[in-house]
Amino acid sequence: EVELLESGGGLVQPGGSLRISCVASGFTFSSYVMSWVRQAPGKGLEWVSSITGRSGKIYQADSVEGRFIISRDNSKNTVYLQMNSLRAEDTAMYFCARDEGGIDHWGQGTLVTVSS
Amino acid sequence: DIVMTQSPLSLTVTPGEPASISCRSSQSLLHSNGYNYLHWYVQKAGQSPQLLISLGSIRASGVPDRFSGSGSGTDFTLKISRVEAEDVGVYYCMQAIQTPRYTFGQGTKLEIK
Repeated sequence: EVELLESGGGLVQPGGSLRISCVASGFTFSSYVMSWVRQAPGKGLEWVSSITGRSGKIYQADSVEGRFIISRDNSKNTVYLQMNSLRAEDTAMYFCARDEGGIDHWGQGTLVTVSS
Repeated sequence: DIVMTQSPLSLTVTPGEPASISCRSSQSLLHSNGYNYLHWYVQKAGQSPQLLISLGSIRASGVPDRFSGSGSGTDFTLKISRVEAEDVGVYYCMQAIQTPRYTFGQGTKLEIK
């Protein structure tokens, strides 16, 4: 069974940094693109960033370009999102997602709140 | 970016009655391989989204057959043949033709009368 477990969310001040993680199990992690999708409170879904399985090629939304960095450690079945220069509008639930030509599995999410 | 537009944004249905949600994309989602790269998800209260339909019309594992997806190119429809109380939630379409730069529709909130 595919499982994705996010962690690391919390309250951070504007301009601050945070790293969130997602541990995967139940599939061959290195064979899949992994993505982060966020959802602001009461709002819809927004794709944030993706990283390919072995080559580690990175894709990012314009809204986070230059501030967020996705990475992965295939030996630990873990994908990360390093978030810098955080803004109030980055406040959201961040979901880890497995990509199979489209997202087929989602984690339960970790909440990031940017506020002073 | 491909813009995804859903309608209606809110839907109230009597149990046992059908429901239909439309999704339109600003560019064709029809790949040269013949598949439409359009997926449907439902997000129930307090939960993460879950896959309902992939590639326009393929039901995900465990999804009841009262759910069906249709359409091609830029116009797609999710139909529920007979709505049940457990179908309450927000339904999203997502384009995957520009994988992994996905974009989502605004969401359609389904409530039971």
